[in-house]
Amino acid sequence: KQEVTQIPAALSVPEGENLVLNCSFTDSAIYNLQWFRQDPGKGLTSLLLIQSSQREQTSGRLNASLDKSSGRSTLYIAASQPGDSATYLCAAEGGPSDKLIFGTGTRLQVFP
Amino acid sequence: EAQVTQNPRYLITVTGKKLTVTCSQNMNHEYMSWYRQDPGLGLRQIYYSMNVEVTDKGDVPEGYKVSRKEKRNFPLILESPSPNQTSLYFCASSSRQTYNSPLHFGNGTRLTVT
Repeated sequence: KQEVTQIPAALSVPEGENLVLNCSFTDSAIYNLQWFRQDPGKGLTSLLLIQSSQREQTSGRLNASLDKSSGRSTLYIAASQPGDSATYLCAAEGGPSDKLIFGTGTRLQVFP
Repeated sequence: EAQVTQNPRYLITVTGKKLTVTCSQNMNHEYMSWYRQDPGLGLRQIYYSMNVEVTDKGDVPEGYKVSRKEKRNFPLILESPSPNQTSLYFCASSSRQTYNSPLHFGNGTRLTVT
């Protein structure tokens, strides 16, 4: 059974820092790995989706990598800003007819 | 604007009083799903639907019902709500026609059962 873990549960950094959020999964037979952002009181917004055949995806200041052999994905945020403060969740999908298994998220605070 | 719309946003009810949370998407997505989010437990899938008239249980289906009579709508029904169903609920949808399509979420429904 797939399990997804995110460490740390919370992170507080000063503005401008480059930071890395970690996501681990136990079953390497994944279809894709998705990263989401959740703001308080809001739903989840899809940030990046890495297909199983890919190693990384980039969108603006965000870069997500995937290493299936080690069961890890990282989300790199460059030059962090206070507006990046949110909870970041990763989710592994087992196949096109399978469900997403979510981690419990990393709550990020970027202070000025 | 492409979106998933849930209603209501907030709901307070009493044990045993049937309720329905509606979910509608305007993106012509085949796949729709319901999740609940609880502190320390993360997001857990309740039910999902691969297409019209096709629904399947997720990880925590007990106490819930769903239906998918139209492609755009996927209501969540609690026939006899109990306090342990107090949670934050999310509806989501994605396309299965597009390879590896991301999941789109509604803004959530915060349910309190007393």
